[in-house]
Amino acid sequence: DAGVIQSPRHEVTEMGQEVTLRCKPISGHDYLFWYRQTMMRGLELLIYFNNNVPIDDSGMPEDRFSAKMPNASFSTLKIQPSEPRDSAVYFCASSLYLADYLNTQYFGPGTRLTVL
Amino acid sequence: GESVGLHLPTLSVQEGDNSIINCAYSNSASDYFIWYKQESGKGPQFIIDIRSNMDKRQGQRVTVLLNKTVKHLSLQIAATQPGDSAVYFCAEKQRGSTLGRLYFGRGTQLTVWP
Repeated sequence: DAGVIQSPRHEVTEMGQEVTLRCKPISGHDYLFWYRQTMMRGLELLIYFNNNVPIDDSGMPEDRFSAKMPNASFSTLKIQPSEPRDSAVYFCASSLYLADYLNTQYFGPGTRLTVL
Repeated sequence: GESVGLHLPTLSVQEGDNSIINCAYSNSASDYFIWYKQESGKGPQFIIDIRSNMDKRQGQRVTVLLNKTVKHLSLQIAATQPGDSAVYFCAEKQRGSTLGRLYFGRGTQLTVWP
C-alpha cells in the first residue's frame, strides 16, 4: 500500500493568498485526520472525519480554515486568507477503525507551509 | 484542557545501551496512551499503546510503563540502535473527548551515538 499521500510537500505563499492542502488516505480507512505541527504548540489535531463526515472540528483555529472530504479517497484543508502565523507542517493521517482503546493512526509525510 | 508534558527535551545514548523516555500527564481522566516516533522529515509513526487499566506493555524491543499514581508514562527501548534516533511523543486520549481526539506531548529528541 502507498500509505497516506499528501500534496504538495512544500508550499510557499504570500500573506493573504489562499492555500489548499490535499490528502489521500489509505484505501479502506474510514477515519481521516488533519494535524498542525509547530515548535511552539507541538502537534495539534485540527479536525477529523468518519466516513467523510466531520466529527470533531474543535481544533480548527478560526474561520479562515476549512476542511472537506468529498469522497472516501480525498480531503482538502484550505486556508483563506493565509497569514504568517499559519506557517507550520500540516499532517494528514488515516485510521481503519477507532475504539476506546484502539487508535492507530497512519500519518502522511506532511506539507511544510511557509506564509511570507 | 490539560496537556501532556515531557520531563526531558533531549536524550543522548550510546548504541547498544537502553533508553528511557519519560512523559508526565496531568489529566487523571486520561484512559489510553500511545507512543509515537517521528524521524526527521517524516510523519509520526505508531510504536506502542497502553490502556489505563494496565501498568506495563511490551513490544519488540520497547516497553511502556504506566504509573497512574503519579501520572507518569515511560518508554523503554532496549539495545538502542542508530535507527532509533528520532523525536518521541506520548499522546493521551482523555475520557469525555471524542473517540479520535488525541493530545500530544511536546516530544523528546533521542540521539543515538555509535
